[in-house]
Amino acid sequence: GAGVSQSPSNKVTEKGKDVELRCDPISGHTALYWYRQSLGQGLEFLIYFQGNSAPDKSGLPSDRFSAERTGGSVSTLTIQRTQQEDSAVYLCASIGTYTEAFFGQGTRLTVV
Amino acid sequence: GENVEQHPSTLSVQEGDSAVIKCTYSDSASNYFPWYKQELGKRPQLIIDIRSNVGEKKDQRIAVTLNKTAKHFSLHITETQPEDSAVYFCAARTTGGFKTIFGAGTRLFVKA
Repeated sequence: GAGVSQSPSNKVTEKGKDVELRCDPISGHTALYWYRQSLGQGLEFLIYFQGNSAPDKSGLPSDRFSAERTGGSVSTLTIQRTQQEDSAVYLCASIGTYTEAFFGQGTRLTVV
Repeated sequence: GENVEQHPSTLSVQEGDSAVIKCTYSDSASNYFPWYKQELGKRPQLIIDIRSNVGEKKDQRIAVTLNKTAKHFSLHITETQPEDSAVYFCAARTTGGFKTIFGAGTRLFVKA
């Protein structure tokens, strides 16, 4: 596709359940980022991929959070045993060589 | 580690006035500085960027300035309009590299 695509766009889940968020970056973009944005707040860095490896995963809030990227393309962010404080918009961005970051539309996660 | 500080966190101006948002960065290897605008409920999108080989860049009512010695860069919006109301993020990155560090964001309110 022409842009960064995230799915689902909205997810409501019960506390304690696992969720999986998906990001399809722009074809050919090497770098992929995950950010979390709570209502009215800034961009909280979670993890960054270069190719399939994650040089920086320092932003993951706890061991309930994990992410992977396969084939240098699609990435999934998994949150296990969701808590109410996990409710936020999760944004993915991809960056190509000498390009700016292109953001997806985000996944709005609500934990009830 | 690398860091980008952004000030102010909130800025309120009267329509027609100018708005200035300032950022400082810590990594002296940074040489690409994009600015993103995020309207309510939407994804961040690039509005202007500057590379380290220039000190200033303008695009209609917006301009960016860069002081590499002081590691400061700023966004200037002149003749502000209500539609400029949004959250603005600065960022710093090394050209050819992929790690992009974002500032915490500035919420701009333009009062009609």
